[in-house]
Amino acid sequence: SQTIHQWPVTLVQPVGSPLSLECTVEGTSNPNLYWYRQAAGRGLQLLFYSVGIGQISSEVPQNLSASRPQDRQFILSSKKLLLSDSGFYLCAWSRWGATEAFFGQGTRLTVV
Amino acid sequence: GIQVEQSPPDLILQEGANSTLRCNFSDSVNNLQWFHQNPWGQLINLFYIPSGTKQNGRLSATTVATERYSLLYISSSQTTDSGVYFCAVDEAAGNKLTFGGGTRVLVKP
Repeated sequence: SQTIHQWPVTLVQPVGSPLSLECTVEGTSNPNLYWYRQAAGRGLQLLFYSVGIGQISSEVPQNLSASRPQDRQFILSSKKLLLSDSGFYLCAWSRWGATEAFFGQGTRLTVV
Repeated sequence: GIQVEQSPPDLILQEGANSTLRCNFSDSVNNLQWFHQNPWGQLINLFYIPSGTKQNGRLSATTVATERYSLLYISSSQTTDSGVYFCAVDEAAGNKLTFGGGTRVLVKP
């Protein structure tokens, strides 16, 4: 069966520090991968998605970037965090086509 | 882009009660999913239902794609049903989901 892992689970970082959140998927190959952010405990917003190694599409302009160095690894990064980057970040995967998406347990980021 | 609206925004239920959550979307969709977000923030897949009706235990869902809405039914609610329920849709086949604002459900014992 397929599983998705995110770490860390919680993170407190000072303004201006770098960020690296990691997501890995097991049990499947060539998945579509996604980063979402949830602010204020309500709806999620898609930040990045990837259909293959090195292929990243950004959905919203922001202070963050994403990379996919391996087939089942997706990384969310920032060079200098802003207070507004605080939130709950979730990674997701799906197979190609109109199919079900599955989410990781999320990372709660607080920028202080 | 596509708009997704969920109603009601908040719902308080007595244990054992039934309820209906609604999701309206502004355009045709290839993908529609219902999720339950637990108190730890994890999104639990409930239904993948771009059209038709499905049932899983006390939960069921119906999507009427031609009229652009989906309903989630909770029967005989339990305290463990508390949390936020999200509807999410995708217009294309890339599974780039657009989420509604959620319905926050509190089931009281």
